[in-house]
Amino acid sequence: SAVISQKPSRDICQRGTSLTIQCQVDSQVTMMFWYRQQPGQSLTLIATANQGSEATYESGFVIDKFPISRPNLTFSTLTVSNMSPEDSSIYLCSAGGGASYEQYFGPGTRLTVT
Amino acid sequence: DAKTTQPTSMDCAEGRAANLPCNHSTISGNEYVYWYRQIHSQGPQYIIHGLKNNETNEMASLIITEDRKSSTLILPHATLRDTAVYYCIVSPTPSNSGYALNFGKGTSLLVTP
Repeated sequence: SAVISQKPSRDICQRGTSLTIQCQVDSQVTMMFWYRQQPGQSLTLIATANQGSEATYESGFVIDKFPISRPNLTFSTLTVSNMSPEDSSIYLCSAGGGASYEQYFGPGTRLTVT
Repeated sequence: DAKTTQPTSMDCAEGRAANLPCNHSTISGNEYVYWYRQIHSQGPQYIIHGLKNNETNEMASLIITEDRKSSTLILPHATLRDTAVYYCIVSPTPSNSGYALNFGKGTSLLVTP
């Protein structure tokens, strides 16, 4: 199994600013994923982050708005840039890979943009 | 990935079995059925997965119909802590690189005393 932590757990940010969310896994994993969960909604995949290569973004999400880093096999960051109130959501990272069919999720970062 | 259809919400009395259905009529031969749940204010948690055969683990049982077009997650003795949103997800078997999950709307299960 893998334990995933995220920082910060929550934040309130001003419109136009940026926030970087950190995701730490307690073991080496091949793939990490970033999801967004808007209020009352299900999870939507933002991007897939593979160590050593650029992240792959889903339709509707762009690198300029959500730059992602994956410097090693246990860590990733997601930046929410030039924030607007529409970015208010919970952002979750997850990890999976290898022989495991299970994907592990962090507790999420609750972002409020005012 | 195949789409799934689940009831929006269900209720279950504590101690009784909770049976959560899922339709996945467009499932492909190489796609597994996964179940995750999300307790309020937490990240999703893996429950179980299966391909063709019924599966059971310490958390739940998964019953997949012979044509694989639908499945049922069974929580044999539901507790208040099982109150959560349950997601049925169809996805290809993970490669060594892992896989991304396509979450639908899920079923909100309320377990009542």
